[in-house]
Amino acid sequence: DAGITQSPRYKITETGRQVTLMCHQTWSHSYMFWYRQDLGHGLRLIYYSAAADITDKGEVPDGYVVSRSKTENFPLTLESATRSQTSVYFCASSRQVSGANVLTFGAGSRLTVL
Amino acid sequence: GENVEQHPSTLSVQEGDSAVIKCTYSDSASNYFPWYKQELGKRPQLIIDIRSNVGEKKDQRIAVTLNKTAKHFSLHITETQPEDSAVYFCAASKRTGNQFYFGTGTSLTVIP
Repeated sequence: DAGITQSPRYKITETGRQVTLMCHQTWSHSYMFWYRQDLGHGLRLIYYSAAADITDKGEVPDGYVVSRSKTENFPLTLESATRSQTSVYFCASSRQVSGANVLTFGAGSRLTVL
Repeated sequence: GENVEQHPSTLSVQEGDSAVIKCTYSDSASNYFPWYKQELGKRPQLIIDIRSNVGEKKDQRIAVTLNKTAKHFSLHITETQPEDSAVYFCAASKRTGNQFYFGTGTSLTVIP
């Protein structure tokens, strides 16, 4: 869906550097999420946000920072990247459909930390 | 929190055969169970979902069943085709919350 976009799609960085992954949605969905995908672990929730200025930790938040100053943007920052943070990162937003919260993903950002 | 387990991790079937993927969940408060398909290099996309007030749901060649008592749900794909080859994820969520807990995925290969 073109309504949720991530950038950059690919990023190579070095250990210790700061990296920010951007996520933008055009639907005005309240909830947004960041997941990381690793082989053998599936999709693990890093952080989520219920609305602007409201964020909360997920399953694997250590080493990550998020902010949500505007409803449409939900950037994820790795303050000091480590090799274990090499992963594919998916941003998502959810909308209510007949009483259920339906999740829609962005195209993903593949991050390699050398 | 919720724990979702998914089996098998890999599955190979001949074209035209059926494929079944099973998931279990731990939190009896979970009441929404979506399934996502992820093709190689693409984003996960919702293919079917089921709510706790329904035991089975079908959409063409895909069906999902839910057993609330046993806390497990399954994805059934009939008459498999090569384009069904992908990684499939199950998930569980609660109506009152917005967190989704995913299984670890099943890599399905349909052999022509």
